[in-house]
Amino acid sequence: NAGVTQTPKFQVLKTGQSMTLQCAQDMNHEYMSWYRQDPGMGLRLIHYSVGAGITDQGEVPNGYNVSRSTTEDFPLRLLSAAPSQTSVYFCASSGRSRKNIQYFGAGTRLSVL
Amino acid sequence: SQQGEEDPQALSIQEGENATMNCSYKTSINNLQWYRQNSGRGLVHLILIRSNEREKHSGRLRVTLDTSKKSSSLLITASRAADTASYFCATGANSKLTFGKGITLSVRP
Repeated sequence: NAGVTQTPKFQVLKTGQSMTLQCAQDMNHEYMSWYRQDPGMGLRLIHYSVGAGITDQGEVPNGYNVSRSTTEDFPLRLLSAAPSQTSVYFCASSGRSRKNIQYFGAGTRLSVL
Repeated sequence: SQQGEEDPQALSIQEGENATMNCSYKTSINNLQWYRQNSGRGLVHLILIRSNEREKHSGRLRVTLDTSKKSSSLLITASRAADTASYFCATGANSKLTFGKGITLSVRP
């Protein structure tokens, strides 16, 4: 199993550009989440989903959109990139049987100039 | 806002020594988890302790939980250079975990 796959691994954007960070999991997990990790800040929850068609906001949702049309995919969209969105983004998933334990992707390192 | 706060922020030890890391949290919990992050990688789950448990072991890891003090500790015994990583405590459930800021552990060969 590949687990949680994030693409791209690295991305550089200019202020105002939009892009989508991809996240796919092959474990048939119901729960998926997006976090951002900034130096000295730990991980902060952006958006999460408890199943296909159901999403909700986390701690820092502004500037980001998500959708969950399938169980496998949970893309994160930056609508108009800002330098404050320079960060490392992690996608995670968990299954109903061990729903508190999250499996993380390798991350996407994003720089907004 | 951060639910968990780890202590110390950084720890440097010699291979073979034990490493103890602490986590304090603010609100009541159902469980607490510890994760490890190697440089440039995603987080990996280490161990989960439920609120009705006081101690749990997994290999060289020992986790304690004191709900009266809202604190947890992670002990890594007989540390190895490969244990060099950042360690995070996390609380919450399902897809909504709240992480601390992490502890950077360096194990010198």
